[in-house]
Amino acid sequence: QLHLQESGPGLVKPSETLSLTCSVSGGSISGYYCSWIRQSPGKGLEWIGYIYYSGSTNYNPSLKSRVTISADTSKNQVSLNLSSVTAADTAVYYCAGGYNLDFWGQGTLVTVSS
Amino acid sequence: QSALTQPRSVSGSPGQSVTISCTGTSSDVGGYDFVSWFQQHPGKAPKLLIFDVNRRPSGVPGRFSGSKSGNAASLTISGLQAEDEADYHCCSYAGRSWVFGGGTKLTVL
Repeated sequence: QLHLQESGPGLVKPSETLSLTCSVSGGSISGYYCSWIRQSPGKGLEWIGYIYYSGSTNYNPSLKSRVTISADTSKNQVSLNLSSVTAADTAVYYCAGGYNLDFWGQGTLVTVSS
Repeated sequence: QSALTQPRSVSGSPGQSVTISCTGTSSDVGGYDFVSWFQQHPGKAPKLLIFDVNRRPSGVPGRFSGSKSGNAASLTISGLQAEDEADYHCCSYAGRSWVFGGGTKLTVL
């Protein structure tokens, strides 16, 4: 069973790039899909995108122009970069492993504010 | 890509059954048998309850069941318990992407 842990800055300035890392333990990310999902305060979940260990990616069409997801199999980590952030990007960001989003990290709150 | 439609809230008494609906389109729910349901308690991460419309991961009680008809999916919780009070989110494959519903708050009376 995978254990996932998100990490990164809790505060990002508008127009800058949000960067988060998901560290995976209890198994290798090789062979797994790893996704990023976010949840704005008091709102529902929003799928951001996923990466397969082979490097193939798919992104939410509404975020595609600003999102990059990458994986470092040697460190068993997956990263999320979201550029040109605004207050609307304030949310709890989760990473999840497995094609069915079987395993979730605890989430990390990112606030976009100057 | 629009969010799937769920009722904002549902409620039921202990021991009763409740059903939560999730309505999409032929491009997501109706087009694929890849509908999942997640349970989320306040301040916690979501937990997978149902995948592939009606399959349960190991450890999820049989009280939770899923179904689909056309462009709509449903989650039924039978024998309602106090600990079932939580938010429930549906999710569907939409052709190289995934889309979630807005979430439903279940209150156990």
